[in-house]
Amino acid sequence: GEDVEQSLFLSVREGDSSVINCTYTDSSSTYLYWYKQEPGAGLQLLTYIFSNMDMKQDQRLTVLLNKKDKHLSLRIADTQTGDSAIYFCATGYSTLTFGKGTMLLVSP
Amino acid sequence: DVKVTQSSRYLVKRTGEKVFLECVQDMDHENMFWYRQDPGLGLRLIYFSYDVKMKEKGDIPEGYSVSREKKERFSLILESASTNQTSMYLCASSSSGDRDNSPLHFGNGTRLTVT
Repeated sequence: GEDVEQSLFLSVREGDSSVINCTYTDSSSTYLYWYKQEPGAGLQLLTYIFSNMDMKQDQRLTVLLNKKDKHLSLRIADTQTGDSAIYFCATGYSTLTFGKGTMLLVSP
Repeated sequence: DVKVTQSSRYLVKRTGEKVFLECVQDMDHENMFWYRQDPGLGLRLIYFSYDVKMKEKGDIPEGYSVSREKKERFSLILESASTNQTSMYLCASSSSGDRDNSPLHFGNGTRLTVT
């Protein structure tokens, strides 16, 4: 079945850029998603990218897609302490497959 | 904004009890899902439903059942709760309108402890 892999932890300083990486196996997904989970909460859809695009920018967020390598990344510019959370990438159609999540810790 | 509401944020139940987790969405979504989230294991799909009275098994359905009597409501049932079902349970919904782009919208989760 589909497999989605992410690094588990990333630590950055406030104001730096953060880059969270994801690799996946199923290349048939039309859309790929990034979700954010704050402590004690559910998952919130952050952004998504259509599979025939290689980049999407949304304010401080930049999503890069390398379809050949099946690699997806999320860059957060000017990272703030409020960005501290777990970030999940997900692929698939109606039943999404999620990575295990990357915990981003932003220190002042 | 889509709102997915899970009836309880925290639940404590005893081993062997029958447990109902309720989820309601207000956006007329056709699809509803139940996941559980455990440290180190990420999100795992338990059951999902594409329509009223329809249900499909996900990756880990054992020990669970579901009910979808109305479009907006999807219930997860633990027939006889066990300690290994202690977990965070997340409900989600999505629309079938655009088959290719169906992001899931999640509730805030129910943290269930079985003692």
